[in-house]
Amino acid sequence: SQQGEEDPQALSIQEGENATMNCSYKTSINNLQWYRQNSGRGLVHLILIRSNEREKHSGRLRVTLDTSKKSSSLLITASRAADTASYFCATGGSQGNLIFGKGTKLSVKP
Amino acid sequence: GAGVSQSPSNKVTEKGKDVELRCDPISGHTALYWYRQSLGQGLEFLIYFQGNSAPDKSGLPSDRFSAERTGGSVSTLTIQRTQQEDSAVYLCASSLAIPGSDEQFFGPGTRLTVL
Repeated sequence: SQQGEEDPQALSIQEGENATMNCSYKTSINNLQWYRQNSGRGLVHLILIRSNEREKHSGRLRVTLDTSKKSSSLLITASRAADTASYFCATGGSQGNLIFGKGTKLSVKP
Repeated sequence: GAGVSQSPSNKVTEKGKDVELRCDPISGHTALYWYRQSLGQGLEFLIYFQGNSAPDKSGLPSDRFSAERTGGSVSTLTIQRTQQEDSAVYLCASSLAIPGSDEQFFGPGTRLTVL
């Protein structure tokens, strides 16, 4: 079963613009992670934010977490064509597995 | 060091045949996970190994699916009597499985097509 949903499902922007993706989840969490997937294959871990954190930065990435609203956002600043990918949020399952949303497909046009 | 590897990268099979998918986790990673991703969908969790043990197999879609792990390393996911709905990308991930280290490292996946 899926923990939550990303929003929007698809996003198309011009290079240099910022991209914001949102994620909602249903149950309490210890942390929330964001992953990136190119061309429907392996996923790459981007950033992890813990439940007691509200904001975290990594390079051009900024992640926020609002546990009262059970939501998170991923902001990519100054986007590049190479950022074109699908982005997934994930929370922890009972076996240490990750529970993913359906993802946001980001397209950055040069 | 090497990342998670999976083989084959692509597999086309006929309905009713058995297939075996392999995952080599990162050396020293005790936790290993199998996921399945159907076209345009998120990832569906299948099974988890801590060492060689899979404590809960309820995520496997049917009794045609089985998985094993030997030597705390390589894992195989076997699908018997494949059906067209088994077509998907099968992804393997590994992690250190220690508190505070929740990042999972994914392999490139095996794309299975059942004709």
